[in-house]
Amino acid sequence: SQKIEQNSEALNIQEGKTATLTCNYTNYSPAYLQWYRQDPGRGPVFLLLIRENEKEKRKERLKVTFDTTLKQSLFHITASQPADSATYLCALVSTSGTYKYIFGTGTRLKVLA
Amino acid sequence: ETGVTQTPRHLVMGMTNKKSLKCEQHLGHNAMYWYKQSAKKPLELMFVYSLEERVENNSVPSRFSPECPNSSHLFLHLHTLQPEDSALYLCASSQVNLNTGELFFGEGSRLTVL
Repeated sequence: SQKIEQNSEALNIQEGKTATLTCNYTNYSPAYLQWYRQDPGRGPVFLLLIRENEKEKRKERLKVTFDTTLKQSLFHITASQPADSATYLCALVSTSGTYKYIFGTGTRLKVLA
Repeated sequence: ETGVTQTPRHLVMGMTNKKSLKCEQHLGHNAMYWYKQSAKKPLELMFVYSLEERVENNSVPSRFSPECPNSSHLFLHLHTLQPEDSALYLCASSQVNLNTGELFFGEGSRLTVL
């Protein structure tokens, strides 16, 4: 069956450092992969997507890589700030018919001042 | 009004009650979704409506009944729920066939079943 794993339940890092979150998947060939941010008691908010034929995508302090051979995506936040503290979800997306999304459990990031 | 709006934000109900969750999207999207989010579990897709037609029903118990009267509104009717149904219920919308396939989520309805 399809499975997504995101690294560790919680990740604590010092302000200013780079946070790296991992998303691994098995038994799936997504068209692309998305990352969302979710704050407590709120709905997820879309951040970035990367397509299967792309290796890397950047948006401001965010960087996503996608390795379809390793079946892994890495999500980096550079120069992290306490305001980056949230849960980050990865989602695999296939585009056959209506889009099908499979979400990971998320990684809770806490940036310490 | 912008984005995806869900009401109520919080709901407490007994197992014999009947209630409904409401979702409204103001983005002109053609697909709407219901997800269930429980602690330490990934988002679980419940239902998908595309162009007001239900295209996916992910083996959800019949005590959950969706309704999509038009492309902007989505309901989840709840009846004789169980305590394990307590969760955050998220509505989302998207524009199918748009390049990003980005999901726009509402703030969720926190449901507690006593």
